[in-house]
Amino acid sequence: EPEVTQTPSHQVTQMGQEVILRCVPISNHLYFYWYRQILGQKVEFLVSFYNNEISEKSEIFDDQFSVERPDGSNFTLKIRSTKLEDSAMYFCASSGASGYNEQFFGPGTRLTVL
Amino acid sequence: AQKITQTQPGMFVQEKEAVTLDCTYDTSDPSYGLFWYKQPSSGEMIFLIYQGSYDQQNATEGRYSLNFQKARKSANLVISASQLGDSAMYFCAMRKGNNQGGKLIFGQGTELSVKP
Repeated sequence: EPEVTQTPSHQVTQMGQEVILRCVPISNHLYFYWYRQILGQKVEFLVSFYNNEISEKSEIFDDQFSVERPDGSNFTLKIRSTKLEDSAMYFCASSGASGYNEQFFGPGTRLTVL
Repeated sequence: AQKITQTQPGMFVQEKEAVTLDCTYDTSDPSYGLFWYKQPSSGEMIFLIYQGSYDQQNATEGRYSLNFQKARKSANLVISASQLGDSAMYFCAMRKGNNQGGKLIFGQGTELSVKP
């Protein structure tokens, strides 16, 4: 069964450093997303991506964040200068295969900013 | 603005019994989708069930069913014959419109514990 994959599973970084979180969405999906979940809290939408551009972004997704689909398979989230409050689980998701409504989530990357 | 409310922070159920997890939503859009996801302690988000706002029948997927009451704006998840492996966080979510590309708005979640 196809699945969304994410690397790394856990990333530890120092405050102010840049991090890139990587995702491989399901191959025939058209829409890609990043969500985050601060420990013990609900899942929050960050950004959606369609047709090689951002289709929607939340207030959380400020100038420190960027997304890219550098090739036909990868989808990345970059945080330019990490803050302590960026520590969270980051989920990539994809959707849009014909006939299916659900968003398929990857296993997540746990980001720890020290 | 869209909003999802899950009022039960934690629930307990005896193994093999049924349990209902509450979810209410608020939206002014006529077209929307409602989702339930399971998050076990390992952290992944597992899709369980989907209900479209125009669907006439309540959605069912195996032991999961969605009690959709549109006038009351509720979308409760019913798990029948609970199993120990059902112990997890459960999140209700909503997507605006029928567009498959819409973002999901999540509730705060309900932590379900199944007792042997």
